[in-house]
Amino acid sequence: DAGVIQSPRHEVTEMGQEVTLRCKPISGHDYLFWYRQTMMRGLELLIYFNNNVPIDDSGMPEDRFSAKMPNASFSTLKIQPSEPRDSAVYFCASSVNPSSTDTQYFGPGTRLTVL
Amino acid sequence: DQQVKQNSPSLSVQEGRISILNCDYTNSMFDYFLWYKKYPAEGPTFLISISSIKDKNEDGRFTVFLNKSAKHLSLHIVPSQPGDSAVYFCAASGVRDDKIIFGKGTRLHILP
Repeated sequence: DAGVIQSPRHEVTEMGQEVTLRCKPISGHDYLFWYRQTMMRGLELLIYFNNNVPIDDSGMPEDRFSAKMPNASFSTLKIQPSEPRDSAVYFCASSVNPSSTDTQYFGPGTRLTVL
Repeated sequence: DQQVKQNSPSLSVQEGRISILNCDYTNSMFDYFLWYKKYPAEGPTFLISISSIKDKNEDGRFTVFLNKSAKHLSLHIVPSQPGDSAVYFCAASGVRDDKIIFGKGTRLHILP
């Protein structure tokens, strides 16, 4: 299995531009999570899906952020318009069952730089 | 408001010695605790976990200790090896909870 796949690995954009991050979860995993890692806040959960349905988006910082999961093998995280404070590493993770006994598998992340 | 706290941003340990990484939590509803390890340019990977019904779990060189009364857990690595240099995230989840709450991480440097 290729694991969780994220693209692009690096993104540099200018303030005000739209940014779209992509994720392909591990086949058969029903849960998908989007995280953001910064020095100040560590690893914070933005949103997660179960069977393609958003369950909890309370971690999404503002309306500029949106996420979709049109099918079981693809999800996007969009920032529009982007701001310099959005610069961070964004991770996607998937799991079969997020209960206590299961683990989440992370992708390699997308490093976003907004100038 | 951080529910999972790792108060040491970094830690340096001599190769061969014991590394001890600490983590505190505030939510008494947490009943499952995990440690993830992260290398540069990679995503975090699961390392070891412990249920609240236990106070210790061991896996090779890695042991996690849980002190529920103090809301504290620690990860011990013995002996420390150069490949252990990474960022370690402490995480916790609650009963029937789909989410895992992560701490900010501790960067461990193993010195030769």
